[in-house]
Amino acid sequence: GAVVSQHPSWVICKSGTSVKIECRSLDFQATTMFWYRQFPKQSLMLMATSNEGSKATYEQGVEKDKFLINHASLTLSTLTVTSAHPEDSSFYICSAKTTNTGELFFGEGSRLTVL
Amino acid sequence: GEDVEQSLFLSVREGDSSVINCTYTDSSSTYLYWYKQEPGAGLQLLTYIFSNMDMKQDQRLTVLLNKKDKHLSLRIADTQTGDSAIYFCAAGGYQKVTFGTGTKLQVIP
Repeated sequence: GAVVSQHPSWVICKSGTSVKIECRSLDFQATTMFWYRQFPKQSLMLMATSNEGSKATYEQGVEKDKFLINHASLTLSTLTVTSAHPEDSSFYICSAKTTNTGELFFGEGSRLTVL
Repeated sequence: GEDVEQSLFLSVREGDSSVINCTYTDSSSTYLYWYKQEPGAGLQLLTYIFSNMDMKQDQRLTVLLNKKDKHLSLRIADTQTGDSAIYFCAAGGYQKVTFGTGTKLQVIP
């Protein structure tokens, strides 16, 4: 299947700093990418839908100014957690939808720990 | 918005068939997906079906879609211990995909 790469796979940062997570579709183009957050033993929670060349659509309750999303090209979307706090510690997962078939592939996730 | 529901747990004996059920609320959902998540691993796309299909079979996996009832099922034939995992159902259109809470499948040897 298609490959979606997320980087970094884990990151530890101090409270108040910002962290950027990248999501790349390696062998296909993705007009739409999704960002999820997964708490331990819980399902994925959709945070936002990222469309190439336009502003992201955020789910209710997700702070736009805190979770900045940029989808600058058909193969790259970034999530920046600004002024991170310990409660932002979580597993962040991205997915990319193939432009031609609509299949949805996931990255391996990025584990963020805020001290 | 879309609401996707699954039962939380299913236990089957090795060699039996497993059937994991899922219901969704948005009748305009175009894509219906099944993902597998093994402990400590990412999500693996198992299969998906378009809303204009009733059934899709891929080796041991059979997906059935009842669009009228907005019900999706995943049947795993000859279930093996390696099939033990959490299975997520997801439904959506081109712009948004909503996941269920996942069904934990336990396969008893």
